Amino acid sequence: DAGVTQSPTHLIKTRGQHVTLRCSPISGHKSVSWYQQVLGQGPQFIFQYYEKEERGRGNFPDRFSARQFPNYSSELNVNALLLGDSALYLCASSLDRGSTDTQYFGPGTRLTVL
Amino acid sequence: SQKIEQNSEALNIQEGKTATLTCNYTNYSPAYLQWYRQDPGRGPVFLLLIRENEKEKRKERLKVTFDTTLKQSLFHITASQPADSATYLCAHGHQGGKLIFGQGTELSVKP
Repeated sequence: DAGVTQSPTHLIKTRGQHVTLRCSPISGHKSVSWYQQVLGQGPQFIFQYYEKEERGRGNFPDRFSARQFPNYSSELNVNALLLGDSALYLCASSLDRGSTDTQYFGPGTRLTVL
Repeated sequence: SQKIEQNSEALNIQEGKTATLTCNYTNYSPAYLQWYRQDPGRGPVFLLLIRENEKEKRKERLKVTFDTTLKQSLFHITASQPADSATYLCAHGHQGGKLIFGQGTELSVKP
């Protein structure tokens, strides 16, 4: 069975641009979460979507938005990119949205903002 | 605010020894903690979940303890191997799928 997939693998953008990152969850998983991981730090929670609705949001500005599609795949959008947005963006899927549900992470998208 | 802290200094040990990693939490009392492994350029991989009433949990060469008095979880890898070299993350999950991670501890096992 395929795990969580993310695209693209790497991305280079300049300040002020916008970016769209994509995630396909494990088949049967209805919950998708997004995390930002800066080098040397643990992942930081951005969003959780479950059954196509936003169920949780971390401490990130409104430049960050996301959505989940009927097939449970998800997009993360970041507008007006800043240098500080350079990070590894991780998507995780889980069967449900409970606090003890195991989250399965994708390989991430490495975003570099110049 | 709720905080999970791990030793940010890398841990270097010799093959065959036991590696012990520490996770401390402050300002709250999580009902459980999770441990993940992360290899460079990859996403974290779930290893173990321990609940506050379990005190200790084992999986093959891995052992996790949970001390609510010390507000601490210890993660042990016995008979460590170079293939165990990675960053290990401690995390607590909230309702809504939000995981709060520590900063991770890098483990290096030398042959």
